[in-house]
Amino acid sequence: NAGVMQNPRHLVRRRGQEARLRCSPMKGHSHVYWYRQLPEEGLKFMVYLQKENIIDESGMPKERFSAEFPKEGPSILRIQQVVRGDSAAYFCASSSSNGYTFGSGTRLTVV
Amino acid sequence: AQTVTQSQPEMSVQEAETVTLSCTYDTSENNYYLFWYKQPPSRQMILVIRQEAYKQQNATENRFSVNFQKAAKSFSLKISDSQLGDTAMYFCAFMKSMEYGNKLVFGAGTILRVKS
Repeated sequence: NAGVMQNPRHLVRRRGQEARLRCSPMKGHSHVYWYRQLPEEGLKFMVYLQKENIIDESGMPKERFSAEFPKEGPSILRIQQVVRGDSAAYFCASSSSNGYTFGSGTRLTVV
Repeated sequence: AQTVTQSQPEMSVQEAETVTLSCTYDTSENNYYLFWYKQPPSRQMILVIRQEAYKQQNATENRFSVNFQKAAKSFSLKISDSQLGDTAMYFCAFMKSMEYGNKLVFGAGTILRVKS
C-alpha cells in the first residue's frame, strides 16, 4: 500500500502563475481532504471531496482556489494567479473508518 | 466552533528525560476524538496517539502517553525516555467523529528539541 501520494514535493511559481498540486489517496479510499499549513502555524482545513463531488469547501478562499477529484486520476488543488501569501505547505489526506492518513505535502513557494 | 490551543511554542528536553506538552481545547460536543501528530523536518504528519473522549482510560503508545482531563478540556502528551528522533513539531488536534467528512482542527504546534 503506497499511502497517500502527493506531487510535486516542492513547487516554485512566480506571482501571477498557476499552481497545480496533485494527490492520489490510499488504495481503496475515495475521500480526500486538503489542508494548508502556513509558516509557523498548524494545518487548516480547506476542502473535502469524494469522487466527482465537492462535499465541503468551507475552508477554501473564495477566489483563485479550486479543487477537483475526478472519476479517474488524482485529486487536484489548483491555485490561479498565485500571490506571495499562497506560499505554504499543502497537505492531502484520505480517510477510512479508522481515521486520516496524510501525504508528505507539497511546499509551494511563490517568488 | 471547536478551537485547540497549544500554549508552548517551544520546548527542550535532555535525552532520556521526560517532557510534557500541553494542549487545551474548546467544544460543546460530548463525544469526540483527540490526537497528537508529530511533524519532523521531513514534513510528514505522523499520528502519535489517539484518544476517544468516551474512554476514561488514558491512551498510551510505548513511550508516549496522554493525560486526558475531559472536564478541564485538557489533553497533554507525555514523552518518556526522550530520544533525539523525537525532535519535531508536535500538533494537538480535535475531531468531532470518525465519520467521513469530519475535519481535524489543529493547534498551532509546539517545537520539541531533544538535546544530547
